Amino acid sequence: GAVVSQHPSRVICKSGTSVKIECRSLDFQATTMFWYRQFPKQSLMLMATSNEGSKATYEQGVEKDKFLINHASLTLSTLTVTSAHPEDSSFYICSARQIGADFPRNEQFFGPGTRLTVL
Amino acid sequence: QKEVEQNSGPLSVPEGAIASLNCTYSDRGSQSFFWYRQYSGKSPELIMFIYSNGDKEDGRFTAQLNKASQYVSLLIRDSQPSDSATYLCAVRGYSSASKIIFGSGTRLSIRP
Repeated sequence: GAVVSQHPSRVICKSGTSVKIECRSLDFQATTMFWYRQFPKQSLMLMATSNEGSKATYEQGVEKDKFLINHASLTLSTLTVTSAHPEDSSFYICSARQIGADFPRNEQFFGPGTRLTVL
Repeated sequence: QKEVEQNSGPLSVPEGAIASLNCTYSDRGSQSFFWYRQYSGKSPELIMFIYSNGDKEDGRFTAQLNKASQYVSLLIRDSQPSDSATYLCAVRGYSSASKIIFGSGTRLSIRP
């Protein structure tokens, strides 16, 4: 099956620092990658959608200057949380959709998530 | 009104019984429907996909879709303790480029 990896799996940082999270599709090429955030006991909230080689599309209420997304290749997308604060502490999950995925399934494969704790 | 609604639970079901999870959605144009299972601290994993009205069975899981009522459900037969998790209902619109909208999830607990 299609595998998506995330790195790091867990990060603890001081307030004010920037954190970069990598999302890679290991055995397929992804036209589109999605970044989600999940707070405890809440559902996944889509932050942004990124397509390779173009600017990410951010959901309403998500600050694009704070959450920088770079989809540099068909197998790699990065999310950088700039000037992180304690309220940014959350579980960040990426997912990837394969090129030529069958419609209407168009399955998104999820990475294992990154737990960010900002002190 | 939330776009995808689920009862948050927890839903407690005895081992071996049938667990029934429900979901309603607001966008009548939705075309694709997913059930994900998420264990605590882990990312979601897809367990069922359905897009046609009616039932779809896969092992112990059955998804049921009723587009007229904007309702999708998941039945888990012969529930096992390992089925204890949060189940997320997710819905996508008509276009292949449409984003998936997740419900808030139902916490299921299977008691031995």
